[in-house]
Amino acid sequence: GEDVEQSLFLSVREGDSSVINCTYTDSSSTYLYWYKQEPGAGLQLLTYIFSNMDMKQDQRLTVLLNKKDKHLSLRIADTQTGDSAIYFCAESSYNQGGKLIFGQGTELSVKP
Amino acid sequence: KAGVTQTPRYLIKTRGQQVTLSCSPISGHRSVSWYQQTPGQGLQFLFEYFSETQRNKGNFPGRFSGRQFSNSRSEMNVSTLELGDSALYLCASRATGDYTFGSGTRLTVV
Repeated sequence: GEDVEQSLFLSVREGDSSVINCTYTDSSSTYLYWYKQEPGAGLQLLTYIFSNMDMKQDQRLTVLLNKKDKHLSLRIADTQTGDSAIYFCAESSYNQGGKLIFGQGTELSVKP
Repeated sequence: KAGVTQTPRYLIKTRGQQVTLSCSPISGHRSVSWYQQTPGQGLQFLFEYFSETQRNKGNFPGRFSGRQFSNSRSEMNVSTLELGDSALYLCASRATGDYTFGSGTRLTVV
């Protein structure tokens, strides 16, 4: 079945850039998403990209999509301690209806 | 605009009981989907409703059910609760491509 994989942990220094990677298997993916979850909270939609795009930039966030390799990345520029959270990659496709397939989440730790 | 509202935020139930969770989507959104989040299994899709019809269902037992009302508000019900049903239950509303999640209901089964 469809699968989304992420590395589990990433640690960076405050002010550095963070890059969180994700791979997926569904070749019919339509949209790919990045969500942020802080402790005890729900999922905050950070950004999403349509599958016919290569890149999307939104302030400190840059999403890169390599559809050939089924690889998605999220770059956070000038990472702050407030960016410490779990980041989830997710994908959806028309043939899955309203279903999101999530990765396991990457825990980002930002050290001062 | 108001976001996705889930009630209650926390629930403690006893094994064997049933529970109903509520989700009010963003105004104008007709699609509501539900997810279960646990430390072991991560985020798993339960079901999606659109205009009062269930469009898709995940791989959960029949004890998990849901419905959607004409105002797009949705409820999910879990009957005969088991300890393993303890989880964060999240709902999301969607207009087109973007899924906006609520803060979730934390269910603890004791």
